[in-house]
Amino acid sequence: DQQVKQNSPSLSVQEGRISILNCDYTNSMFDYFLWYKKYPAEGPTFLISISSIKDKNEDGRFTVFLNKSAKHLSLHIVPSQPGDSAVYFCAASVPGNTGKLIFGQGTTLQVKP
Amino acid sequence: KAGVTQTPRYLIKTRGQQVTLSCSPISGHRSVSWYQQTPGQGLQFLFEYFSETQRNKGNFPGRFSGRQFSNSRSEMNVSTLELGDSALYLCASSFVQSTDTQYFGPGTRLTVL
Repeated sequence: DQQVKQNSPSLSVQEGRISILNCDYTNSMFDYFLWYKKYPAEGPTFLISISSIKDKNEDGRFTVFLNKSAKHLSLHIVPSQPGDSAVYFCAASVPGNTGKLIFGQGTTLQVKP
Repeated sequence: KAGVTQTPRYLIKTRGQQVTLSCSPISGHRSVSWYQQTPGQGLQFLFEYFSETQRNKGNFPGRFSGRQFSNSRSEMNVSTLELGDSALYLCASSFVQSTDTQYFGPGTRLTVL
């Protein structure tokens, strides 16, 4: 039962352009969403999060949008840089389900110089 | 502030053996969660500890266990290792609430031969 889905395994963009990574979920009880970036052989690095009571959160080059009616969130990276090349995971948590994040399968982003 | 640390970083064991992995959370964080990452299953939640008590558990067999000490450091143990236990084991720490952001360590790469 894949409650969090990242349907695009990979994405390639040109340096300086916008990268849009998408995530869909099925559980309407999710109340908190996060994006992580991961390099091979390292742990995930937290990027940005959003509460279910909001529809947008911005932090520097990173913006996360949440569309609850569509059960969809997206991460926008503007402008994209070669150092952004990594695997991006979206994750979600359920109230009361302490300490447990449910992850998507990840999207590999390649930013070309 | 120091990040989450995990030891050892790499481990090779043979089937039937047992293994203990260690995790030191960020100072002040009291919740420690453990995850298994494999190519086929992605990031899967194992369990979460808070104040030396297991608060939440994922869908893994009883061979996987853990504990937390009074200083919030945590260990996980896998007994009777199987080939399928080969994975990257990640721990993450957070303050208290389920909506607190989890910060991950670099992981322990376990190979079972």
